[in-house]
Amino acid sequence: EVQLVESGGGLVQPGGSLRLSCAASGFTFSSYWMSWVRQAPGKGLEWVANIKQDGSEKYYVDSVKGRFTISRDNAKNSLYLQMNSLRAEDTAVYYCAKDEGWGVFDYWGQGTLVTVSS
Amino acid sequence: QAVLTQPASLSASPGASASLTCTLRSGINVGTYKIYWYQQKPGSPPQYLLRYKSDSDKQQGSGVPSRFSGSKDASANAGILLISGLQSEDEADYYCMIWHSTAWVFGGGTKLTVL
Repeated sequence: EVQLVESGGGLVQPGGSLRLSCAASGFTFSSYWMSWVRQAPGKGLEWVANIKQDGSEKYYVDSVKGRFTISRDNAKNSLYLQMNSLRAEDTAVYYCAKDEGWGVFDYWGQGTLVTVSS
Repeated sequence: QAVLTQPASLSASPGASASLTCTLRSGINVGTYKIYWYQQKPGSPPQYLLRYKSDSDKQQGSGVPSRFSGSKDASANAGILLISGLQSEDEADYYCMIWHSTAWVFGGGTKLTVL
């Protein structure tokens, strides 16, 4: 059974940092692109970043470029999102998603809530 | 102007059909894009429904009923998700998505009410 379990969310002050993790199981993690997608409270979905199987390609939404870094550890079946210089508008539930075939996000975690507030 | 525009809400009756549109910004030609559709119910992560570029290039999500289908309206520069034989369980938020300028872009979502 495929499982994606996010962790690391919480309350952080503006300008602070947070590192999200996504533990994957039930599939060959190293064979798939992975993405982070977020959803602000009561709002729509926003894709944040993705990373190629071997980590050699990464893409980001403009609003997080230079502040967020996506990474992965295939030996640990884990995906990460390092978030720096956090802003109030980064407040959201952050989901990790397995990309079955370029845009086919077939499995999602339950999400972890990040709240940026003083 | 947003890359993808979806109507905020849509209502339809059980058993009827619902056509959800996803309009691409002027200058972005719908014909060249694969349009992805996701369904999200309250308190749950999104679920992949289908991908549509053309009748010869489309993919249904695993376990997704055939009453969910995709198409395009080139004259409106829009992707369409058609749901036929509406059921109460189809009440949800629906999002379209494309890959544009090295990023995945979601539309704002349409809340479908079945009443």
